[in-house]
Amino acid sequence: GAVVSQHPSWVICKSGTSVKIECRSLDFQATTMFWYRQFPKQSLMLMATSNEGSKATYEQGVEKDKFLINHASLTLSTLTVTSAHPEDSSFYICSARQGTYNEQFFGPGTRLTVL
Amino acid sequence: AQKVTQAQTEISVVEKEDVTLDCVYETRDTTYYLFWYKQPPSGELVFLIRRNSFDEQNEISGRYSWNFQKSTSSFNFTITASQVVDSAVYFCALVGGNTGGFKTIFGAGTRLFVKA
Repeated sequence: GAVVSQHPSWVICKSGTSVKIECRSLDFQATTMFWYRQFPKQSLMLMATSNEGSKATYEQGVEKDKFLINHASLTLSTLTVTSAHPEDSSFYICSARQGTYNEQFFGPGTRLTVL
Repeated sequence: AQKVTQAQTEISVVEKEDVTLDCVYETRDTTYYLFWYKQPPSGELVFLIRRNSFDEQNEISGRYSWNFQKSTSSFNFTITASQVVDSAVYFCALVGGNTGGFKTIFGAGTRLFVKA
């Protein structure tokens, strides 16, 4: 299957700092990229959907000013957690999809710990 | 509304046993796709299969098989002769059409433990 990379794989930061997570589709052009958050032993919670060159669509309850998403090209999307706080600690997963009904390919995830 | 229900939270089997993971979905769309993904302890989700709503043929891939029944809105996944490496969380997912906004709806996941 297609490969999606995510960087960094883990990050520890102090409360109040901002953290940027990169998601890249390595061998295909992703028309849509998704950002999920996963708490321990829970399912994936969709945070936002982004299409290249347009603003991301955020799910209800997700603060767009706190979780900034940029989808600058067909192979790169970034999620910036601004002014992170301990409650933002979580496993963040990105995925990329070509077309509407195709399968999503997932990145390996980024474990964020905010102290 | 679109919904995916995986009623089994955790299943524990002994190696070589067969195991079936249940998935029931709800959608008003006539065109939709169903998926299964595997999330091993490493955390990265792996795509397993995609089926469209017009194709009810069962599928077999090695030890894996899937049974899609529109009459019961189910898309069950069976692992034959389970192995320890099958231990993971398995997610069933649905991508609907217009009413679903083409979003992927994930089930809660079923955690499978395969003991040696």
